[in-house]
Amino acid sequence: AAGVIQSPRHLIKEKRETATLKCYPIPRHDTVYWYQQGPGQDPQFLISFYEKMQSDKGSIPDRFSAQQFSDYHSELNMSSLELGDSALYFCASSLNYGSPLHFGNGTRLTVT
Amino acid sequence: GIQVEQSPPDLILQEGANSTLRCNFSDSVNNLQWFHQNPWGQLINLFYIPSGTKQNGRLSATTVATERYSLLYISSSQTTDSGVYFCAVPHPKAAGNKLTFGGGTRVLVKP
Repeated sequence: AAGVIQSPRHLIKEKRETATLKCYPIPRHDTVYWYQQGPGQDPQFLISFYEKMQSDKGSIPDRFSAQQFSDYHSELNMSSLELGDSALYFCASSLNYGSPLHFGNGTRLTVT
Repeated sequence: GIQVEQSPPDLILQEGANSTLRCNFSDSVNNLQWFHQNPWGQLINLFYIPSGTKQNGRLSATTVATERYSLLYISSSQTTDSGVYFCAVPHPKAAGNKLTFGGGTRVLVKP
């Protein structure tokens, strides 16, 4: 079965650079969620989109922005990267608002 | 926000042993998910279990929503069961399924 696709799998950036993470949800899933997982921590909700509109916002820094496009894929843009942004970034999708979440394999971002 | 607590935080098992992981949550919820994060970091769906009991192979889960807890049972554990087990529940005020995760139970199964 098709799963959530995230790219890239690994990303190394320097401080103050920008990064863009991409997420392709499971076909027919209309809701996308972004999570950040620091080392040894549980995943923390960043932001979600339902039918291409932002539906909820968590602890997402102002330096980060995200959007969902007409084909339902989503991108997380991160600017002015800091060392503390080093983490595993997950995208998840659900069939509709309220259905179980299915997670991608994550993007491991390292900021040096 | 909702509080989600998992116990024990760490668990070391001998291969073949059985174990029970617990997840307590502080507010009424309309669903709950269990995940396994393997050593490569992948988050694998185990159960979507708002209430009742479900079984999938050697794993089963029970949620008692009225008492605000869920249990994950691992039977005849294997080394591939190692990793971190998370439970997650939606924010009660959120219309959608924004999940709050517990702190996880780190499981190591020794051969």
